[in-house]
Order: sequence, then C-alpha cells, then structure tokens
Amino acid sequence: DTGVSQDPRHKITKRGQNVTFRCDPISEHNRLYWYRQTLGQGPEFLTYFQNEAQLEKSRLLSDRFSAERPKGSFSTLEIQRTEQGDSAMYLCASVGQITGELFFGEGSRLTVL
Amino acid sequence: AQSVAQPEDQVNVAEGNPLTVKCTYSVSGNPYLFWYVQYPNRGLQFLLKYITGDNLVKGSYGFEAEFNKSQTSFHLKKPSALVSDSALYFCAVRVPLLSGSARQLTFGSGTQLTVLP
Repeated sequence: DTGVSQDPRHKITKRGQNVTFRCDPISEHNRLYWYRQTLGQGPEFLTYFQNEAQLEKSRLLSDRFSAERPKGSFSTLEIQRTEQGDSAMYLCASVGQITGELFFGEGSRLTVL
Repeated sequence: AQSVAQPEDQVNVAEGNPLTVKCTYSVSGNPYLFWYVQYPNRGLQFLLKYITGDNLVKGSYGFEAEFNKSQTSFHLKKPSALVSDSALYFCAVRVPLLSGSARQLTFGSGTQLTVLP
C-alpha cells in the first residue's frame, strides 16, 4: 500500500454515460498526476496539479475530460460522454517532495460497453 | 521531448540466473531515471531511481540498475532471479523540475519478465 487511494477500482459503463474517478494522495504531497494506461502500454501522462492549480494538460485530455483538485487535497477526473476508446486503467500518483518519485494508487479500471 | 525505449517486450529467464531488462532514454539535460514494477491489475510500485552520484543504483527486492550516460541507458539487473519477480517492468525518465520543462514522468512501453522455475 503506497498511501494513495483511488475509487472506484472498477467501473463498467455504457457508451455516452459520464464517469468520475477520485484520488486521495498522500497527505503531505502537494503534487498530483493522472495517467492513463491501456493494455500492453506504459502509462501516458494526462494532467498534473501542484496544490489546487492544474499546471499541465496532455493533448490526450480531450474536452470530454476534466480534472479538479479543489482544495489541494483529493482530485477528481471526470469523463463525459464516454466512448469505447476511453476504456483503460486510470492511475493517480502523488509525488515525494524531495526525491520526486511517484507513488501510484492501485488505479481505476474503466470499461465502456 | 523526453522519451524512453524498452526494446524487449518479453524477457524470459530461469530461476537463479541473472536477469537484465534494458532501457534507453532520450532527454535534454540531466535525466532523472526510474524503474517501476507492476503486478496484474495493480498500480505501479517504485523499485529504484537515479538522480545523481554513483552510476550503480540499488533498489528494492535485490534489484539494481546502472546508469550509463554515454550509451544513454539505464538497464535493470538482478544477480539471481526469483519466480516471484515475474511482472511487468517500466522504465521512466524526466528532467529536474528546476529545468522548467516537462514535469511529467515519461514511461517506456514495458517489459514482461517471466522467471521460469
């Protein structure tokens, strides 16, 4: 257990529905990342927060995706009007202050039918 | 832009034999290099990192990695493999945050290690 928790662990939804994932990082970590991982691939960067500020967004993050970290603690990732291509594991990670290593949660697996 | 290449999708090794999982990187500036391991349906677990200093880095579970600047490589090694080492291994790179460029960690595509009993 890395101390980063993600909810839900699994989500099955129908195409066109909205889904939201939550990430609770390690409490003293002010930096938080979202990554997406598809089968057989390495994690791909989606977005990055420092405290409540969203400082970087990948081109992978279409306008159907939105991420927030309203109080600089937990973060949410919402996908609107889901498509089958959104099926993936969504990983959250928080960053150690000194060493910069990422601590990953167990991920939220999305299946869009 | 920063990138990582893991040239082998699959590595098979007999238990007790040494193992090597290869990684090469491309980055502007001095790299921070990482290895992570992933078990089925789990998140990534940190194994080891190179920031600066000694080129041979020791990490968790008896793994080590050697930073080679001239070859831009950071191969993962273990002297004696265990069946329980079987998993998916990812190499990752980023530049120091003070460099002002990409803050994100860029991952390779992964290498599936299978240790045969």
